[in-house]
Amino acid sequence: GAGVSQSPSNKVTEKGKDVELRCDPISGHTALYWYRQSLGQGLEFLIYFQGNSAPDKSGLPSDRFSAERTGGSVSTLTIQRTQQEDSAVYLCASSSPGQGDTQYFGPGTRLTVL
Amino acid sequence: RKEVEQDPGPFNVPEGATVAFNCTYSNSASQSFFWYRQDCRKEPKLLMSVYSSGNEDGRFTAQLNRASQYISLLIRDSKLSDSATYLCVVAYQAGTALIFGKGTTLSVSS
Repeated sequence: GAGVSQSPSNKVTEKGKDVELRCDPISGHTALYWYRQSLGQGLEFLIYFQGNSAPDKSGLPSDRFSAERTGGSVSTLTIQRTQQEDSAVYLCASSSPGQGDTQYFGPGTRLTVL
Repeated sequence: RKEVEQDPGPFNVPEGATVAFNCTYSNSASQSFFWYRQDCRKEPKLLMSVYSSGNEDGRFTAQLNRASQYISLLIRDSKLSDSATYLCVVAYQAGTALIFGKGTTLSVSS
């Protein structure tokens, strides 16, 4: 079946521009997570959505980062006024209690801020 | 202290070798434990969950020691295809955010 998909796969932008990254979770998965992986760093949690509950935003590094999930499915991560330190691979994952809450990751969006 | 710490690696072993990775976590309230595998420039994929009683999946054996806050992964009879980065992962509760170690790189050579 279809896994988690993310778009675009690569994004190059200039410092100061806004970017939007999209995640399509596995159909039926109630939870959706965003992480990022910077060069030489481990995966870092950003935000997660669980059903209709308020999202856990505790991992967002600054108020330039925001995310929404529409209709309990697709999610968009927005980074405003991008900085060079935002360059990273942004990974999305989804999970379902029916599958043991195992998080399945998408292929990621590689963001480069020039 | 980082929340999840792993052996720095890299581990370079010949085919057929047995290799062990260790990991410690700082939050004693952690409830879920995993090993993920990440190939170069790919997304992480679940290798196995780790249970208190220890568990085995083919050539892979995972152990958890809650008292010492220590997790291990043993790979027997290493294959070339085992070459990857192995990520130790914990979660405070099932279904919540995963906390990743930086990973240990394994290179298996013929």
